[in-house]
Amino acid sequence: EVQMLESGGGLVQPGGSLRLSCAVSGFTFSSHALSWVRQAPGKGLEWVSTISPSSDLTFYADSVKGRFTISRDPSKSMLYLQMNSLRAEDTAVYFCVRRDVNWGSHDYWGQGTLVTVSS
Amino acid sequence: EIFLTQSPATLSLSPGERATLSCRASQTIRGLLAWYQQKPGQAPRLLIYDASSRATGIPARFSGSGSGTDFTLTISSLEPEDFAVYYCQQRSAWPLTFGQGTRLEIK
Repeated sequence: EVQMLESGGGLVQPGGSLRLSCAVSGFTFSSHALSWVRQAPGKGLEWVSTISPSSDLTFYADSVKGRFTISRDPSKSMLYLQMNSLRAEDTAVYFCVRRDVNWGSHDYWGQGTLVTVSS
Repeated sequence: EIFLTQSPATLSLSPGERATLSCRASQTIRGLLAWYQQKPGQAPRLLIYDASSRATGIPARFSGSGSGTDFTLTISSLEPEDFAVYYCQQRSAWPLTFGQGTRLEIK
């Protein structure tokens, strides 16, 4: 069974940093690209970032480029999102998501972790 | 950036009725479109990928169609558990983008 379990969310002040983690299991880690997708309270879904199966390619939404860094650790089957220079508009539930093989659709989602940026 | 416009914003129907949801892309996306269902407090669930392929475990009453820029999600006969928010998403080009969602509510 595929499982995606996020952690690391919480309350942080504007300008602060936070690192999200996602523990994945139930599939061959090195065969799938992985993404972070977020959802602000009461709003729609927004793609944040994707990393290739071998970590050689990373992609970011313009809204987070230069502030967020996605990474993965195959030895631990973990996905990460390092978030720096956080802003109020980064407040959202962050979902860890698997992409189907060959850069397919987002087929498995975690339950999400809430990040609140507020003073 | 490819923009996805979903319509209607809200659809009010009764159980047993047919639902038709639309997603229009600002440029061709070659059929690389997915549909997701999201219920309150839950993560989204993949329903349809590549415009018309049902994901694992998705009931046959859900179907997708379309190509180029115009896509449709059809629910042939609504069940009570189908009332939720539906999003389309394209993977044809970076950045990946979602539509703003269609809320399917009970009439």
